[in-house]
Parts: sequence; C-alpha cells; structure tokens
Amino acid sequence: GENVEQHPSTLSVQEGDSAVIKCTYSDSASNYFPWYKQELGKRPQLIIDIRSNVGEKKDQRIAVTLNKTAKHFSLHITETQPEDSAVYFCAASMAGGKLIFGQGTELSVKP
Amino acid sequence: DAGVTQSPTHLIKTRGQQVTLRCSPKSGHDTVSWYQQALGQGPQFIFQYYEEEERQRGNFPDRFSGHQFPNYSSELNVNALLLGDSALYLCASSPGAGGASYEQYFGPGTRLTVT
Repeated sequence: GENVEQHPSTLSVQEGDSAVIKCTYSDSASNYFPWYKQELGKRPQLIIDIRSNVGEKKDQRIAVTLNKTAKHFSLHITETQPEDSAVYFCAASMAGGKLIFGQGTELSVKP
Repeated sequence: DAGVTQSPTHLIKTRGQQVTLRCSPKSGHDTVSWYQQALGQGPQFIFQYYEEEERQRGNFPDRFSGHQFPNYSSELNVNALLLGDSALYLCASSPGAGGASYEQYFGPGTRLTVT
C-alpha cells in the first residue's frame, strides 16, 4: 500500500550547521510533496512543498529536492538556529488528495 | 483573515460514548480533510470532504463519519469510542479539490481523551 518512510527519527546538530532529512515514497502516482514543522503542542505548519515537475525548490534557509526516479525527496536546512528545533514531517499526495505522512524527525539545534 | 479553526480544544469522553468535532476552513478554502495524530506519530488520514461529499477515505472503521456543510465547515463524528481513539484530531483545509493549488493548512486540533 501507500507508504512514506522518513529518516532519521532524531537529529541533533550544532547551531549554524546544516540538517538533512530524507523521505522515500512508494506510490509512483504521487505528485505533491510538502514538509511540515510541528512544535510541541502546536499544529503542523507547512514550511515548503514541491511538485513532481520540479527537481528543487528553495526558500531562504530551507530547500527541498526531489528524485522522481528513485522516489526520494529531502529537506535541507542551512545555518540552523535554535528556533528550528521541532518535529518535521514529510508527506506525499496525489493531486491535492490525502496526505501520507512519514514518521517524523525530531530535530534538536544546540546553541 | 482567520486560519483554520477547530472546536473544542480538549475533550474527555468515556468508552462507548459518541463525540462530534468541528472545523471551520480558512477563508477561500472549500476542501476539508481530517487526520488523527497519535502521540509521537505522524498524522493519519481519515477522510476528505469536497462539495459536501466524502471524496476520499483512509483506513478507518465506519465508526468514524463526517459531514460538510454548505459554508464548507465540517464535522467529524466518532461513535462507540475506544481507548485507542485517544489522539489529536486535526482538520486541514485546502483551496479546492481539482484546483491548481494542493496546499493543506492545519487547524490547532482537538485533543480527545477516552477513559
């Protein structure tokens, strides 16, 4: 069935370093890949997304890359700051339908 | 411009009872999706409503049902509550099924505890 695998489950970096989170999806029909940031006790917040007709997208310190052939996509955060600490979820969907989420990555940025 | 809102914030119910959760989508959005998020896990898709019809459904039993009203707001109903139904229930709205935009924006959620 449809599945999204996300790694690592936890990630600890020093402030200023880069962080990379990777996801793999199973449904080749998926064409939309959002990333959400969820702070403790708060709602998931959409931080960046990418469609299958694009290989890379950047927004300031955040970038997402997509390899459709390998069914992999990744989140890259550069110059990490303590406020980047949160749980990050990747997801995949087809044409605005149901989102299939990964298991989440708990990112800790140490000052 | 109000974002997605949900009510109530918290709810405590007893096994076997029924519960109704409510969601108002972001202004301009006509599609509402519901997700269940257990502690420490990613959200799991329950169903999606568009034009007052259930458009897609996840792997949840018939105890989970929903409704969408003409103003695009939505309700999630859960009957015969089980302890395992304890979770954060999230509503997400999006600009339009079949439209050009796929982004789903989440509400703050309803924390349901079943005792």
